[in-house]
Amino acid sequence: GAGVSQSPSNKVTEKGKDVELRCDPISGHTALYWYRQSLGQGLEFLIYFQGNSAPDKSGLPSDRFSAERTGGSVSTLTIQRTQQEDSAVYLCASNPDRETGELFFGEGSRLTVL
Amino acid sequence: AQSVSQHNHHVILSEAASLELGCNYSYGGTVNLFWYVQYPGQHLQLLLKYFSGDPLVKGIKGFEAEFIKSKFSFNLRKPSVQWSDTAEYFCAVNAVNTGFQKLVFGTGTRLLVSP
Repeated sequence: GAGVSQSPSNKVTEKGKDVELRCDPISGHTALYWYRQSLGQGLEFLIYFQGNSAPDKSGLPSDRFSAERTGGSVSTLTIQRTQQEDSAVYLCASNPDRETGELFFGEGSRLTVL
Repeated sequence: AQSVSQHNHHVILSEAASLELGCNYSYGGTVNLFWYVQYPGQHLQLLLKYFSGDPLVKGIKGFEAEFIKSKFSFNLRKPSVQWSDTAEYFCAVNAVNTGFQKLVFGTGTRLLVSP
């Protein structure tokens, strides 16, 4: 597609449920990033993929968070046993060139945990 | 590890006023610097970027930023703001040659321009 696509755009879930968030990057972009945007917190780095491998998982807040990327394309961020503090907008971005740092962002998935 | 500070969290201006948003980063090596903007209800998009060369960078919509290496700063400026500039602005830094790239963002500055 023309841009980074994320789904769902909105997700409301109950505390303790698992959620999956999907990201479809721009075709040909080898690098893929997940960020979390919370009110007053700016953008918090979660994880970075180069191809299907994740050289940097340092931003994942806990072991309830995991992510994978298959075929060098689509990525899924999974949050298990969701907590209220997981409520945020989860942003995906892709990048065609690992050296330049210019990211192309999706619209985000807004997660609300009740 | 690199970090980014944006000291102004909220800025309110009248149309035609001049704008300067501060951004300071901490990293001793070579960096790429960015300003991203998020208009209400829209996704983040690149406003301007600095990689090398002329430290005064011009971006879209009349924005510019100046890289001052000695001050570790990359402040965003616009001589005369418009109501349509109401948005949240994020400064970001990428440390070059660290083996992989990770864009580290500041906490953002919300700009409200009143007509």
